[in-house]
Formats: sequence, structure tokens, C-alpha cells
Amino acid sequence: EVQLVESGGGLVKPGGSLRLTCAVSGFTLSGNHMTWVRQASGKGLEWISFMSGVTNKISYADSVKGRFTMSRDNGKNSVYLQMNSLRAEDTALYYCLGSGSASRWGQGTPVTVSS
Amino acid sequence: QAVVTQEPSVTVSPGGTVTLTCGSSTGAVTSGHYPYWFQQKPGQAPRTLIFDTNDKHSWTPARFSGSLLGGKAALTLSGAQPEDEADYYCFLFYDGDGVFGGGTKLTVL
Repeated sequence: EVQLVESGGGLVKPGGSLRLTCAVSGFTLSGNHMTWVRQASGKGLEWISFMSGVTNKISYADSVKGRFTMSRDNGKNSVYLQMNSLRAEDTALYYCLGSGSASRWGQGTPVTVSS
Repeated sequence: QAVVTQEPSVTVSPGGTVTLTCGSSTGAVTSGHYPYWFQQKPGQAPRTLIFDTNDKHSWTPARFSGSLLGGKAALTLSGAQPEDEADYYCFLFYDGDGVFGGGTKLTVL
């Protein structure tokens, strides 16, 4: 069964950093595209980042470009989101998502940026 | 960046049929956008109903179907149930960049 479990969220001061982890099971990362998504409280879904499972090409939303870095470790079946220079507007619940038949959602990990 | 548009709110009668649409500011939505449809109920994580235009997960109720219709992606619900009341988001890929629609609040009334 496909499962994705996000972790690493927490409370951080503006300008701080966090590293989110998405541990996947039930499928292999190799050949699967992965996406990070976030949702601020009471708001809609926002696409953050995408990594191709074929070309390893990575793309970012303008709102996080230059501050966030997506990576993965196929051996650990994990995807990461390094978040630097965090701002109050980055406060949200962060989800990772597989592609196609692996597009199951986890419960997300909350990130709060506040002084 | 492209803008993806959805109806803000739609109401359907129990047992009725409704189609939610997902348009793109760049032109017609095609299978090359790999349209996804997600359902989210209050206090819950989203769940994927449709991927790659019209593929379903094992948990997707048979009454939901995805298609391309009139240059848009479409999610059709045939035989609405009270438990289908939720927010529905479409999602499109633009050569690696992803864009969500603003969501449609579906009321079953």
C-alpha cells in the first residue's frame, strides 16, 4: 500500500530554517515524480515544488524560489524540502505527493513561522 | 505563471449530476497537463480522486469521473451523495510547474 509520511515541521522564527522529510513506502521513488504542496489555514492548496522521477529536473513556485530546495534519497525512499529564510507567510501545513497511482496524501507536517 | 480557474461554488441535489470544470489561462487544457482532481473535507487532508485526466484510485467512488470537455478538465459526479459535500481542487502541470485551481465548494442540498 502506498504511504507517505511527512515530518520535520515545527515552530521557527522568521529567517530560520527547517528541513521537511517525506518518507514513502509502497512504491519506489525512482521513476516517480514527487511534489510538495502547502495549505495555509483556511486557504486553498498551493504548489511548492516538483521533482521529476525521470529527469531529476526540479521546479519551484516563485514564492519559494531561491529559499527552498527539494531533494531526494532513493536509497532511503525519502524526499526532502530544505526551507531557508522562512517568512510568516510560509506558515502552513506541508504535504508531499506522489504522481499517478502513487498520488496518495499523508497527513502533512505543520510549519509555523513566528517570533 | 498560468492561472487555473474553477467555479467557486456549486450546488447539486442529492442523486443529481454535476460537472465541475478546470480551465487554464494559457488555452485549452489537454492530457499533457495531466489533470488531477482532489477532494478535501473540513479538517481532513485532501485525497486524490482522479489523476492523469481520467484515471481513478481504488478508493475513488465509481460515481466520479474525469474528462476533457470544451477545452477544460472536468470532474463529473453522477448520483451525488451527502458525503460528497466538500471542496474540490483541480491541479495542472505546465512542463514541471504545477498550478492549483482555487477550488470549488460543492454543496449537496
